[in-house]
Amino acid sequence: DAKTTQPPSMDCAEGRAANLPCNHSTISGNEYVYWYRQIHSQGPQYIIHGLKNNETNEMASLIITEDRKSSTLILPHATLRDTAVYYCIAFREFGNEKLTFGTGTRLTIIP
Amino acid sequence: DTGVSQNPRHKITKRGQNVTFRCDPISEHNRLYWYRQTLGQGPEFLTYFQNEAQLEKSRLLSDRFSAERPKGSFSTLEIQRTEQGDSAMYLCASSSTNRGSNQPQHFGDGTRLSIL
Repeated sequence: DAKTTQPPSMDCAEGRAANLPCNHSTISGNEYVYWYRQIHSQGPQYIIHGLKNNETNEMASLIITEDRKSSTLILPHATLRDTAVYYCIAFREFGNEKLTFGTGTRLTIIP
Repeated sequence: DTGVSQNPRHKITKRGQNVTFRCDPISEHNRLYWYRQTLGQGPEFLTYFQNEAQLEKSRLLSDRFSAERPKGSFSTLEIQRTEQGDSAMYLCASSSTNRGSNQPQHFGDGTRLSIL
């Protein structure tokens, strides 16, 4: 699976949109971009995933560039409960089946 | 959908003892995964099952580690002769391929193992 690069930490004011970037310049055509987050002392929580098109669900939006070399996870109205480590993962379905986590981005929501 | 359940949540044991963790996946999920997470790092893959068959094992899974999923439902992870380096959070996840593609993995809240 392709390697992803994320900033180690970010801050965002409560109520504002949090935009978390991810670079995956070596992603292959059949690799999806998955996002998980992990709140302290809990297991990772699935957020969203996409292949080429932008995706939106009740938690977040995922914007993938046309060349698929980078993506942005958007939390539209951040709350204090969104403080967590966010992981961007390139994952090939029906490949080796394992999620390869990096160290992620520690997002802190500021009151 | 009750989510992935892991027991116990915490385990403290002396070096050299054996420990066993249990994972109950989301019902009807045919795939089950084990990961390990140490402080400050992301989770690392250990092994996974499709139904009762163990299909892949990481090099992290030494001979002291064994995982089973006897009836394709719950799974156990046993560590024999525990060492200090085994102290970590052990995470279980499950997913389904029943819709023709691999659905996202959903994680439990893990078992935190501390070796004294």
